[in-house]
Amino acid sequence: SYVLTQPPSVSVAPGRTARITCVGNNIEDKGVHWYQQKPGQAPLLVMYYDSDRPSEIPERFSGSNSGDTATLTISRVEAGDEADYYCQVWDGDSGHHVFGSGTKVTVL
Amino acid sequence: QVQLVESGGGVVQPRTSLRLSCVASGITLSNHGIHWVRQAPGKGLEWVALMSPDESKTYYADSVKGRFSVSRDNSKNTAYVQMNGLTTEDTAVYYCASTGLREDDSLDLWGPGTMVTVSS
Repeated sequence: SYVLTQPPSVSVAPGRTARITCVGNNIEDKGVHWYQQKPGQAPLLVMYYDSDRPSEIPERFSGSNSGDTATLTISRVEAGDEADYYCQVWDGDSGHHVFGSGTKVTVL
Repeated sequence: QVQLVESGGGVVQPRTSLRLSCVASGITLSNHGIHWVRQAPGKGLEWVALMSPDESKTYYADSVKGRFSVSRDNSKNTAYVQMNGLTTEDTAVYYCASTGLREDDSLDLWGPGTMVTVSS
């Protein structure tokens, strides 16, 4: 089955840039979606199809996908960005959706 | 207000069954695919199942295939997941989420979740 690998944690100072990676075999051939989950809350879609941003998500959030790595980038990080972030793809070969293991973003 | 709300969670014994509901407001469920996703305590997200908008296609994670079944009642704008043969491994918060017409569309709108605890 298709596997997505994320770093367990990323720490970043306020105002700096956080980059969260999601590694999968030839992931560039798939549409990658990203979700933000704060404690006690349901996930929230923050990026879809690699680099499209829902209208309610700040422009500070951007995405890319190349080779085996998709990346969610958060510019000018704020305290409110502290959360768990998950990548997700559809694996057509297995007929399964797959989530990455999640990355906890800590704002120092 | 556009929202999904799950219900039906609770504490059940192993090897029993439970049916969760997902009521939609502000959207017509028959125009959307519906996912079920779960999250065990302190763990990450695990995709469980997907039903296509026209109900012609259903997909299940290997961990639940043969035990869980998804359905919907368009007249009630409600989706369901029937969970049979529950084990302690099924203990989790269960979320429903709406999606588009394609299998690879994102999960756009999520409910707040309902907790299922399987314990003897």
